[in-house]
Amino acid sequence: NAGVTQTPKFQVLKTGQSMTLQCAQDMNHNSMYWYRQDPGMGLRLIYYSASEGTTDKGEVPNGYNVSRLNKREFSLRLESAAPSQTSVYFCASSLSNYGYTFGSGTRLTVV
Amino acid sequence: QQQVKQSPQSLIVQKGGISIINCAYENTAFDYFPWYQQFPGKGPALLIAIRPDVSEKKEGRFTISFNKSAKQFSLHIMDSQPGDSATYFCAASNDYNTDKLIFGTGTRLQVFP
Repeated sequence: NAGVTQTPKFQVLKTGQSMTLQCAQDMNHNSMYWYRQDPGMGLRLIYYSASEGTTDKGEVPNGYNVSRLNKREFSLRLESAAPSQTSVYFCASSLSNYGYTFGSGTRLTVV
Repeated sequence: QQQVKQSPQSLIVQKGGISIINCAYENTAFDYFPWYQQFPGKGPALLIAIRPDVSEKKEGRFTISFNKSAKQFSLHIMDSQPGDSATYFCAASNDYNTDKLIFGTGTRLQVFP
């Protein structure tokens, strides 16, 4: 099925541990995004990539790094997880800034 | 840095009623205004969108009303159904900014039979 695939779906980390969230799309979209969703805060942009080889910071980039490995894949890395990073993370892609396609999310808990 | 303000935070509507969600924006350069629908455990999905050259767009039971002078836009769900129970996000972007949508904080809609 065409779309955006995120792995893992659930993850529990201890404070200070690191992990990488994976995202892949098969729609040949140029742009890819990482958002976090927290209650009452909506969707906040962490990082985005307008095209292969480029990445830029969004609204809440601190504590995160990203890699646009190729046109299909865009990963999000937490180098040293903190409880404040407990959230639901969504990857999205788009051909332009219209019509984002979102993945089903990764629910991350940092204890 | 909240450039799109959404209200209410939650909404309870009886089946058959009209659900209305409002958004206001600050950046006059915004020229694309989509609404996304999110069911529990799923990612948001594009529901309907409008450009500022029209004041209203209707798709089935869903209508966007747009007021450029007031910098406001709203989603109306007519004949609301229990299956419409979801979280709704408004968003905005600038056509000249090819990068990103700015989302509102979301409205949790519950439609009771």
